[in-house]
Amino acid sequence: QKEVEQNSGPLSVPEGAIASLNCTYSDRGSQSFFWYRQYSGKSPELIMSIYSNGDKEDGRFTAQLNKASQYVSLLIRDSQPSDSATYLCAVNSGGYQKVTFGTGTKLQVIP
Amino acid sequence: NAGVMQNPRHLVRRRGQEARLRCSPMKGHSHVYWYRQLPEEGLKFMVYLQKENIIDESGMPKERFSAEFPKEGPSILRIQQVVRGDSAAYFCASSPPYTSYEQYFGPGTRLTVT
Repeated sequence: QKEVEQNSGPLSVPEGAIASLNCTYSDRGSQSFFWYRQYSGKSPELIMSIYSNGDKEDGRFTAQLNKASQYVSLLIRDSQPSDSATYLCAVNSGGYQKVTFGTGTKLQVIP
Repeated sequence: NAGVMQNPRHLVRRRGQEARLRCSPMKGHSHVYWYRQLPEEGLKFMVYLQKENIIDESGMPKERFSAEFPKEGPSILRIQQVVRGDSAAYFCASSPPYTSYEQYFGPGTRLTVT
């Protein structure tokens, strides 16, 4: 079983819609959760961090964490073509500063 | 505050040569991580270092690859006797001490082995 799992996509949504990206993880002891955005040919960029159950909002982005169900999600409201990228879920599950990345979900926002 | 710096951005090596990739972490960051990414694939963890210490090298091939983070200067990922399969993007990330494990990535080095 992979430690961090994501649907590879592509996930296609029309411009202006809500994009919902999901991630599950295997280690119940995980404490820190991250979403990165990676444009083609570029490096990953940290866009959200979440550490406690519930929702965390930042502009058009909302991260949701449910530790009991071991999933974390990212919602992108009012999706724009510029949001088209691969979104990587990352989880810290060790006793030190190492995170495990999922393989990413490719998002396509259709104008 | 400058971000994570990597050089060179592009590196071309012939089979059998050595590749040396450099990473300077963000100011105040003491943890460095190296990742490899093949085209259309995910990030693969290679090694995690602190100053003068290798903390976790579980993702690094046992042969030809080595990494260091000296007391002074950048972290270096060294690949000896490169083969075509080493062609990939190599990303470095850094994180500050005593915090919540957020990692910030450099622009990467694209290695091409001919």
